[in-house]
Amino acid sequence: AQSVAQPEDQVNVAEGNPLTVKCTYSVSGNPYLFWYVQYPNRGLQFLLKYITGDNLVKGSYGFEAEFNKSQTSFHLKKPSALVSDSALYFCAVRDIGTGGFKTIFGAGTRLFVKA
Amino acid sequence: DTAVSQTPKYLVTQMGNDKSIKCEQNLGHDTMYWYKQDSKKFLKIMFSYNNKELIINETVPNRFSPKSPDKAHLNLHINSLELGDSAVYFCASSQGSLAGGLGTQYFGPGTRLLVL
Repeated sequence: AQSVAQPEDQVNVAEGNPLTVKCTYSVSGNPYLFWYVQYPNRGLQFLLKYITGDNLVKGSYGFEAEFNKSQTSFHLKKPSALVSDSALYFCAVRDIGTGGFKTIFGAGTRLFVKA
Repeated sequence: DTAVSQTPKYLVTQMGNDKSIKCEQNLGHDTMYWYKQDSKKFLKIMFSYNNKELIINETVPNRFSPKSPDKAHLNLHINSLELGDSAVYFCASSQGSLAGGLGTQYFGPGTRLLVL
């Protein structure tokens, strides 16, 4: 069965510093990986996805993620954090087995960026 | 224009009542979903419809009944509400079939349900 793990409940970083939000995955076939962000009292917003191709994926708001097959990781990164990046971040994997329509989300990591 | 909209935004009701949540998307997508987010922010899929047909039905009590009158709408009806149903319910849509199931999901703003 497909699964994702976000080992950190919370990440704290100072504004202007680089940030990393960790995600590891377990899949039986090719991994299809996503990152979403949820701001308070809002729905999830898509940030980026890895389907195939370059291991470094660039997304919205200056975020990027690196797909590492040997470490089964898909960490989310940003070179310089902003206070407005403070939110809840979800890593997700798409289960292609069930017609490709089931997304399994990690437990989420809350990012706090301090000014 | 809102891409995925849900009504109502907030719903406070008594145990045992029946309630419905509506979802509409204007993105032309063929696949719609319902997710439940609990108090710990854990997000889990409940149902998925592709072209008005139910394709995913997770282990959800049969008090929950989705209905898709057309590709742009997916409603959720809940019978005999229980305290444990209190959560935030998110609707989402994606272009499923043409994208091989890998279309990006777009989420609605959520419906905050509180059962007293």
